[in-house]
Amino acid sequence: EIVLTQSPGTLSLSPGERATLSCRASQNVGSNYLAWYQQKPGQAPRLLIYKTSNRATGISDRFSGSGSGTDFTLTISRLEAEDFAVYYCQQSDKSPQTFGQGTKVEI
Amino acid sequence: EVQLLESGGGLVQPGGSLRLSCAASGFIFSDYAMSWVRQAPGKGLEWVSSISANGVTTYHADSVKGRLTISRDNSKKTVSLQMNSLRAEDTAAYYCAKLRTVGTTLYDAFDIWGQGTRVTVSS
Repeated sequence: EIVLTQSPGTLSLSPGERATLSCRASQNVGSNYLAWYQQKPGQAPRLLIYKTSNRATGISDRFSGSGSGTDFTLTISRLEAEDFAVYYCQQSDKSPQTFGQGTKVEI
Repeated sequence: EVQLLESGGGLVQPGGSLRLSCAASGFIFSDYAMSWVRQAPGKGLEWVSSISANGVTTYHADSVKGRLTISRDNSKKTVSLQMNSLRAEDTAAYYCAKLRTVGTTLYDAFDIWGQGTRVTVSS
């Protein structure tokens, strides 16, 4: 099973700052199979990024994804109040598909 | 509007059974694979099961294999999760999720999620 390790566990930032979230895989993940989700308290996850760097429908261009192999990054260029949430990476390259443990972005 | 609506959650005793359902609307249901993903209280996301668009191919996480079974009815636009021999560690919110890509793949991101249904396994 591919283990995804996200860092940091918690990111404390202010509105307007840049957030950089890391997702490291225990083995290579094809770039077509890495996604990022946002989850707010009491809500279902929402797809942000698919295929490493493609924004999902309706997602602000403040969100961008990059990476390859075992190292992937989600960047939020200028944090807004609505961005404070938990973010998960997911790989669907190898069965079983797995999620990282999450990074909480807090004020 | 594309929507998934889960139902069927509740409180069940260890060893008991429950059947979750997910009703889809707003898209051509029979074109997409579907999955269940769960989240234990205060924990992260765990993929549970997936089923192909035509219902022929299924696969399940090892942690639920032989106890939880995914199925679908394309005529009714529903996907279900039959849960047997439930354990305390199955306690979670269960989300129904649609795969992003049309076709046969079972390996893709989840672009639409339901609001979740909560399952509590306790005596």
